[in-house]
Amino acid sequence: GAGVSQSPRYKVAKRGQDVALRCDPISGHVSLFWYQQALGQGPEFLTYFQNEAQLDKSGLPSDRFFAERPEGSVSTLKIQRTQQEDSAVYLCASSLVGQGDTEAFFGQGTRLTVV
Amino acid sequence: DAKTTQPNSMESNEEEPVHLPCNHSTISGTDYIHWYRQLPSQGPEYVIHGLTSNVNNRMASLAIAEDRKSSTLILHRATLRDAAVYYCILRAWDNTNAGKSTFGDGTTLTVKP
Repeated sequence: GAGVSQSPRYKVAKRGQDVALRCDPISGHVSLFWYQQALGQGPEFLTYFQNEAQLDKSGLPSDRFFAERPEGSVSTLKIQRTQQEDSAVYLCASSLVGQGDTEAFFGQGTRLTVV
Repeated sequence: DAKTTQPNSMESNEEEPVHLPCNHSTISGTDYIHWYRQLPSQGPEYVIHGLTSNVNNRMASLAIAEDRKSSTLILHRATLRDAAVYYCILRAWDNTNAGKSTFGDGTTLTVKP
């Protein structure tokens, strides 16, 4: 399909395990965003890329969270030494350009459960 | 960051119009007003956006107050498929700040048959 694709859809991790979540944006989209959504709450901003440059990572909750987009396309969100409070849905979105006058397209998210 | 305020929940009858309000009193002059909606187990879906003038598209209309401190999303004839959580967010114009949008908890719209 032509939408934003995230994998895996579901991930169960044991506490202390490292996880990697993948996002395939729409081809040609310059901007890519990661959000964290806890149950019953709205998405919370984590980080933002324009091409391969990470322009804003102020929403990453700790240094256990790391995101990269090395070739300006696919992005990976990595969480080291997972904790129970990391359990959430992780959403990826992309848009054609970075300016606020463009719509963002979201993937279906990866539901992470830390046990 | 500019934040938005929305009612927690609203109800509507099927085939009636729905007006979903949003307050954004700290909006800056270059912030765009965006609306997204989210169905259970889905990612948010774009609905509409605008800057100053009212906007219409096939899904909805967006009415923006003259001082831009509030806006209203209008669904002209609600259907059962419109039941979702609706988010009003602000996106900065420039590249550097456009990514960091604050969603808030949105308005849960219930549509009754």
